[in-house]
Amino acid sequence: DVKVTQSSRYLVKRTGEKVFLECVQDMDHENMFWYRQDPGLGLRLIYFSYDVKMKEKGDIPEGYSVSREKKERFSLILESASTNQTSMYLCATLVPDGTDTQYFGPGTRLTVL
Amino acid sequence: EDQVTQSPEALRLQEGESSSLNCSYTVSGLRGLFWYRQDPGKGPEFLFTLYSAGEEKEKERLKATLTKKESFLHITAPKPEDSATYLCAVHKTGSARQLTFGSGTQLTVLP
Repeated sequence: DVKVTQSSRYLVKRTGEKVFLECVQDMDHENMFWYRQDPGLGLRLIYFSYDVKMKEKGDIPEGYSVSREKKERFSLILESASTNQTSMYLCATLVPDGTDTQYFGPGTRLTVL
Repeated sequence: EDQVTQSPEALRLQEGESSSLNCSYTVSGLRGLFWYRQDPGKGPEFLFTLYSAGEEKEKERLKATLTKKESFLHITAPKPEDSATYLCAVHKTGSARQLTFGSGTQLTVLP
């Protein structure tokens, strides 16, 4: 079974705080993704990584950065959280079986006050 | 511009009342179309991948079909536990494994 874990299910932060969201997969997968999900907007890709220290911007990278120091861990960083970053954040990993299927973690519901 | 549109936005069914959810897409070269199920407050759970027009996949009460412009998720004799949001996503050729998601159909099955 594909297992993707995220560090927190719920998180409440203040405006201006630096926020770290962690995602871990234990399957040695190369490709990992960060999405945010908002009502009516669906899932939107923030960043993805195709290998250690490699990253690519997605559709909405503004206000976010990422870190991939080890293959199993992909971190999303909000340098200075703002209220419009209140959202559900979802991490995914791509199984390298030729099917292009992404498997998701349980999500982190972030509220910025 | 790539677009994925799901309809209806919300659907309420009585238990046992079969129906279909629609996912229409416009992409320049489809590599794969994915269906996910998402329960409230949880991450999406993978259901099916379809790669070419005419392909069909089944799992329990769910059956996914694909044409050149749209996909349908047919739900036969649904049960209350099928209540969830169903998401459709497309992967287009040359997109470095990025998926474009629709905004989902929220299905409620009443007992």
